[in-house]
Amino acid sequence: EPEVTQTPSHQVTQMGQEVILRCVPISNHLYFYWYRQILGQKVEFLVSFYNNEISEKSEIFDDQFSVERPDGSNFTLKIRSTKLEDSAMYFCASSRDFSSYNEQFFGPGTRLTVL
Amino acid sequence: KNEVEQSPQNLTAQEGEFITINCSYSVGISALHWLQQHPGGGIVSLFMLSSGKKKHGRLIATINIQEKHSSLHITASHPRDSAVYICAVRSHNTDKLIFGTGTRLQVFP
Repeated sequence: EPEVTQTPSHQVTQMGQEVILRCVPISNHLYFYWYRQILGQKVEFLVSFYNNEISEKSEIFDDQFSVERPDGSNFTLKIRSTKLEDSAMYFCASSRDFSSYNEQFFGPGTRLTVL
Repeated sequence: KNEVEQSPQNLTAQEGEFITINCSYSVGISALHWLQQHPGGGIVSLFMLSSGKKKHGRLIATINIQEKHSSLHITASHPRDSAVYICAVRSHNTDKLIFGTGTRLQVFP
């Protein structure tokens, strides 16, 4: 069964460093998402991406964040200069299309720890 | 006020018990999701529904659109059902999901 994959599973970085989190969505899916979950808190939407551009983003997704689909399979989230409060679990998700009848499939997450 | 509220926050049960987790939301939605999150952190989609009722094995999800309420039921609960169950809604004209805070379920043998 196809699944969303994410790498790395755990990333440790120093404050101020750039990190790139990678996701491989399900191959015939067209919509891609990033969510984050700070430890002990609920999952929050960051950004959605379709047709090589951002379709929606939250107030969390400021200029420090960017997303890219560098090739036909990867979908990346870059944090330019990490802060302590960026420590969280980051989930990638994908769906076949925008229709509300199509569910989002989640990856296993990347745990980001900023020291 | 949270747009998606779940109750209870924590739930313990003995193996075999019938479990109900509730979700209320305040926005107009196009779909509601029930998700399961295990201690390792990964999220698995259990159900997506926009009306009525869905059943998968021992899991049943119902939704009442007029009352803006959904329930997740687990019949004959088992220790392997121990996880956090999360309700998330997709509001109209948006592709993002809005999550509840989750219900932590522990089922003891």
